[in-house]
Amino acid sequence: ETVLTQSPVTLSLSPGERATLSCGASQSVSSRYLAWYQQKPGLAPRLLIYDVSTRATGIPDRFSGSGSGTDFTLTITSLEPEDFAVYFCQQYGSAPWTFGQGTKVEIK
Amino acid sequence: EVQLVESGGGLVQPGGSLRLSCAASGFPFSSYEMNWVRQAPGKGPEWVSYTSSSGRTIYYADSVKGRFTISRDNAKNSLYLQMNSLRAEDTAIYYCATDFGSGIFDNWGQGTLVTVSS
Repeated sequence: ETVLTQSPVTLSLSPGERATLSCGASQSVSSRYLAWYQQKPGLAPRLLIYDVSTRATGIPDRFSGSGSGTDFTLTITSLEPEDFAVYFCQQYGSAPWTFGQGTKVEIK
Repeated sequence: EVQLVESGGGLVQPGGSLRLSCAASGFPFSSYEMNWVRQAPGKGPEWVSYTSSSGRTIYYADSVKGRFTISRDNAKNSLYLQMNSLRAEDTAIYYCATDFGSGIFDNWGQGTLVTVSS
């Protein structure tokens, strides 16, 4: 099973600042099969990015993904108030599909 | 608009059973692969089970294999999860989710809470 480790656990930033979230995999993620989700309190996760860097429908371009192999990054170039949430990475390159434990982006 | 509405959650004793349902609308359900994903309180999501659009191909996480059964009724636009021999560690919000492409979960329901406790 591919274990995903996200860092940091919590990121305290102000609106307008840049957020950089990391996701490390215990083994190489095949074929760039990595996604990112955003989750707000009481709601289901929402797909942001898939295939490492492809934004899902309706996702603004301040969200971008990068990386390969075992190291991946989600970048939010300028935080909007609605971006403060928990973010999860997920790999779907090998069974079972697995998620990271999340990074909480909170208002500083 | 894609809508997924889960139901059937509740409080059950260890060893008990529950059947979750997911009613789908707003998209051609019979053409979509579907999944169940769960999330324990304060934890990351955990993929539980997958079914192909026809229901002929099915996968399970090791943690539920032999205890949970996924099924679908394309005539009723519905997805199901039969959960038997429930354990405390099965306590979670259970979501149904459409599969955009072999493990990408692009639409989620609001979830239904399953609590396993005596």
